[in-house]
Amino acid sequence: GQNIDQPTEMTATEGAIVQINCTYQTSGFNGLFWYQQHAGEAPTFLSYNVLDGLEEKGRFSSFLSRSKGYSYLLLKELQMKDSASYLCAVRDIGAGKSTFGDGTTLTVKP
Amino acid sequence: DVKVTQSSRYLVKRTGEKVFLECVQDMDHENMFWYRQDPGLGLRLIYFSYDVKMKEKGDIPEGYSVSREKKERFSLILESASTNQTSMYLCATGGTGRTNEKLFFGSGTQLSVL
Repeated sequence: GQNIDQPTEMTATEGAIVQINCTYQTSGFNGLFWYQQHAGEAPTFLSYNVLDGLEEKGRFSSFLSRSKGYSYLLLKELQMKDSASYLCAVRDIGAGKSTFGDGTTLTVKP
Repeated sequence: DVKVTQSSRYLVKRTGEKVFLECVQDMDHENMFWYRQDPGLGLRLIYFSYDVKMKEKGDIPEGYSVSREKKERFSLILESASTNQTSMYLCATGGTGRTNEKLFFGSGTQLSVL
């Protein structure tokens, strides 16, 4: 099975940088995903890593180290609209099901 | 854009009722999933299907069943609803053949069992 850990809550200031960590122990690995979920809405895809290293997409970057079972999501130039829950998910091999962490609720303050 | 449609946004049912949650997708995706989301517990996988008439148990299948008679439709069934099944239910779809197939989620059904 999969075990995924991420912090429950984080707070940051508008314009700052925040890093949300995710650690995992898995029986199979076929990629790590980050999703964003605003309150009352469905999760939406942010980023994907399957190889070690950094993937950058605008203000958002995601890093993966498979040997350490570790990923982080980096959000730069924070905006108020970035206040949301950020979900780390590990995709299993085979049928491709994903296991989610409990999510990190990020609050961006002025 | 991928569209994943869940039949109801809010649903109130009584204990013991049979409940059907419907999910329809328009992207010809092979894989479809049902998750429930509860505060402090994150998203937990109930059932998934990788083809028509195929189904696999997820992490918490007890008290649920599913049906996939057509590729675009995946139904979650609560045979006899109980109060501990009050939750937000999210349907998701994803393709196959590529390792970076992200999930597309429906807008969710908030089910309350009284």
